[in-house]
Amino acid sequence: GDSVTQTEGQVALSEEDFLTIHCNYSASGYPTLFWYVQYPGEGPQLLFRASRDKEKGSSRGFEATYDKGTTSFHLRKASVQESDSAVYYCALSETTNNNNAPRFGAGTKLSVKP
Amino acid sequence: NAGVIQTPRHKVTGKGQEATLWCEPISGHSAVFWYRQTIVQGLEFLTYFRNQAPIDDSGMPKERFSAQMPNQSHSTLKIQSTQPQDSAVYLCASSLDWGRDEQYFGPGTRLTVL
Repeated sequence: GDSVTQTEGQVALSEEDFLTIHCNYSASGYPTLFWYVQYPGEGPQLLFRASRDKEKGSSRGFEATYDKGTTSFHLRKASVQESDSAVYYCALSETTNNNNAPRFGAGTKLSVKP
Repeated sequence: NAGVIQTPRHKVTGKGQEATLWCEPISGHSAVFWYRQTIVQGLEFLTYFRNQAPIDDSGMPKERFSAQMPNQSHSTLKIQSTQPQDSAVYLCASSLDWGRDEQYFGPGTRLTVL
């Protein structure tokens, strides 16, 4: 079945560091890919999405590019801030079967020190 | 727009008791999802309704867990004979139509089973 793999369970950085969180997916069709962010005490909220190969999603300085060749959608930010500390989830939604619920990765907890 | 509403925000039950969690999706959204979140397992998909009909319950434990959506304005997740391992944050989300759309999450219900 469809699945999403996030390799980093936790990432600890200092302010102004460069961030990369890796996301690889496995899907039979052509999925829509998402990044969600979850702050303490809240539910996840959409950061951005991408639906086509080479499409770049971006928001609040974060970006990721849909790469069908490497089946990846890595999250990057050039200069993180303490306020970016949160849990980040990569997710996919299969578009060929509209009965399938989205699948989420295990999540990556980002901690940013001032 | 109040967003997805979940009640109660916190619930404490004794082992063996029943717990019912409520979710009110965003008005006009036809898809409703339930997830369970723990530190160990991350975000686990439980079940999914579209236009009040159950579509995918592949993540629901076979025993003690059930979900209903009696009308378009609310869904319930019921756990019978709660066990300590059921302790988690239960998240409800809704989306405009189906899985490809952005999901809007509620704040979650934190269930603690003593």
